[in-house]
Parts: sequence; C-alpha cells; structure tokens
Amino acid sequence: DAGVIQSPRHEVTEMGQEVTLRCKPISGHDYLFWYRQTMMRGLELLIYFNNNVPIDDSGMPEDRFSAKMPNASFSTLKIQPSEPRDSAVYFCASTIGQYNTEAFFGQGTRLTVV
Amino acid sequence: QQQVKQSPQSLIVQKGGISIINCAYENTAFDYFPWYQQFPGKGPALLIAIRPDVSEKKEGRFTISFNKSAKQFSLHIMDSQPGDSATYFCAAGNTGKLIFGQGTTLQVKP
Repeated sequence: DAGVIQSPRHEVTEMGQEVTLRCKPISGHDYLFWYRQTMMRGLELLIYFNNNVPIDDSGMPEDRFSAKMPNASFSTLKIQPSEPRDSAVYFCASTIGQYNTEAFFGQGTRLTVV
Repeated sequence: QQQVKQSPQSLIVQKGGISIINCAYENTAFDYFPWYQQFPGKGPALLIAIRPDVSEKKEGRFTISFNKSAKQFSLHIMDSQPGDSATYFCAAGNTGKLIFGQGTTLQVKP
C-alpha cells in the first residue's frame, strides 16, 4: 500500500478563496482523522470519521471549516472562505480500529493563505 | 481536561547522551500513550506506545516510563544519535481519538 495520500502537498491561496484538501486513507482502515499543525498550537485534532461517518467534529475551529467522507477511500477538508490564520500544515491519518492502534499519517498539505 | 502538556519545547543533546522528554495529562480516562516522531516535511510516525497497565516499555534505544499515579509519562532515548534529530510528540488516547502534546524539537550534536 502507498500509505495515506494527501493532495495537494502545497497550496497558496488568497484570503477569501475556497480551499479543498484531499485525503485517501490506507485501504481497509476504518478510522480517518484530520489534524492541523502550527508552531503555536502543535497538532490539533479537527475531526474524525468512523466508517465514513463523522464522529467528533468538536475540534473544527469554526463554520468556515467542513469535512466530508463520501466513501471509504476519500475524504475532503474544505475551508470557505479562507483566512491568513488558517495557514498551517494539515494532516490526514487513518487507523484500523480506534485510537489505540497505530495511526498512519500522510505527508501533509502546507496551506498558505495570503 | 483533554490537554496533554509536553516539555521541554526544544532539547539539544550530544551524541551518545540521553534525551528525556516529559508529558503530563489530566484525564484519567486516557488509556493509550504513544510517542510519535516527525522529520521535516513528513507526517508523524509511531515510535513506541504504552498502556497504563505497565510502568515501562523498551524498544531498542527508546524507553517509555509511565507513572499512573502522577499522570506523567516520559520518553528516554539512550545513546542519542544525530539521526534521532526530529520533533517528538507524546499523545494520549481516549474514546476514539488521540490528543497530542505540543512537540519537542530534539537536536543531537555530533
């Protein structure tokens, strides 16, 4: 397996634009997590899915953020409208079973909002 | 109560020395404590993990020490090598999710 695949690797956008980040989890993994990494706040859990169903979105910072998982092999994180403070590295991770098994992370998407 | 506090923020160690990173948690419902290692431009990768029914786990040069009563756990890297230079995250798991510490940037000088 190629691991967790995220796209794009880098995204530069202007404030106010819509941004969509994409993730393909490892085949057979039933949990998918979206994290945001910044110097100030470290790794923050935004939302996670189990069998394509959102379980906990309490980490989503505000209504501008939304996430979907239409099927077991694809998830998106959308920011609309984007703001400079959204600049961060966004990671997707997947696991078999719950939190107490190894989480496999993608390489991340570095988002810059100017 | 969901926080995991990690220290120090950065650490410089000489080659061959011992690197020690500490974490503390508040929520006693946490029952899974992994450490992740992250190299620049990469996603975090699992290094070693422990469950609260044991006080220590060792894998090669890496050891987790766990103190359930103090709600603290630490990562010890013995014989630190320049290739260990990375960012290390502790985490605590509960009800389907992992909460990560702030991270520690380790530099091992040759």
